Amino acid sequence: QSALTQPRSVSGSPGQSVTISCTGTSSDVGRYNFVSWYQQHPVRGPKLLIYDVSQRPSGVPDRFSGSKSGNTASLTISGLQADDEADYHCCSYTGPYWLFGGGTRLTVL
Amino acid sequence: EVQLVESGGGLVQPGDSLTLSCVASGFAFRSYSMLWVRQAPGGGLEWVSSMSSSGSDTRDKHYAASVKGRFTISRNNSGNTLYLRLNSLTADDTAIYYCAKWGNGAYIHSWGQGTRVTVSS
Repeated sequence: QSALTQPRSVSGSPGQSVTISCTGTSSDVGRYNFVSWYQQHPVRGPKLLIYDVSQRPSGVPDRFSGSKSGNTASLTISGLQADDEADYHCCSYTGPYWLFGGGTRLTVL
Repeated sequence: EVQLVESGGGLVQPGDSLTLSCVASGFAFRSYSMLWVRQAPGGGLEWVSSMSSSGSDTRDKHYAASVKGRFTISRNNSGNTLYLRLNSLTADDTAIYYCAKWGNGAYIHSWGQGTRVTVSS
């Protein structure tokens, strides 16, 4: 199974919105609603942001939202803040396997 | 608060073996499936292995194709510890290895800080 496809980098100014895409196939992203997103600041372990395509764990601001259309999932971050600058990873669970994207570096200008 | 603390990484030569450990606290370890995920330098995340809460059956353990037959996942529920035995290491296994807690669904709830494995002659 191949990794999911994410853009290498995206950028935005404070207050703006950005969207990060995650493209898989009809066997993974397109087949199951088991898409999750993780935020990773430098030299730290990842942190859960979104699960089941669009669900937010408690404590995650509603500026972070997820969606899916066909074989592509998306993470949208609105009202960009300096602390949002990090790497973002998408993931699709296709039991028993976990597929990750290559990661997207978000730069806040 | 969930805490996962990995250890056991280091610099090894090709062909060597290593055992990684992950001590868990802050949750009922014996009730959760667990995973190992790695991240090569400058790269994305790659799932390595996962096992069910009991891990008593080999069918409860799963491996990525890239490590199957070389890596072995295990756990000690009485000691709240997850292990990963790495055999026949190659340069492609160089990465930070993260221990992770499976959530109450198809997602990863918590991650450790990782332990670095470098395979080089």
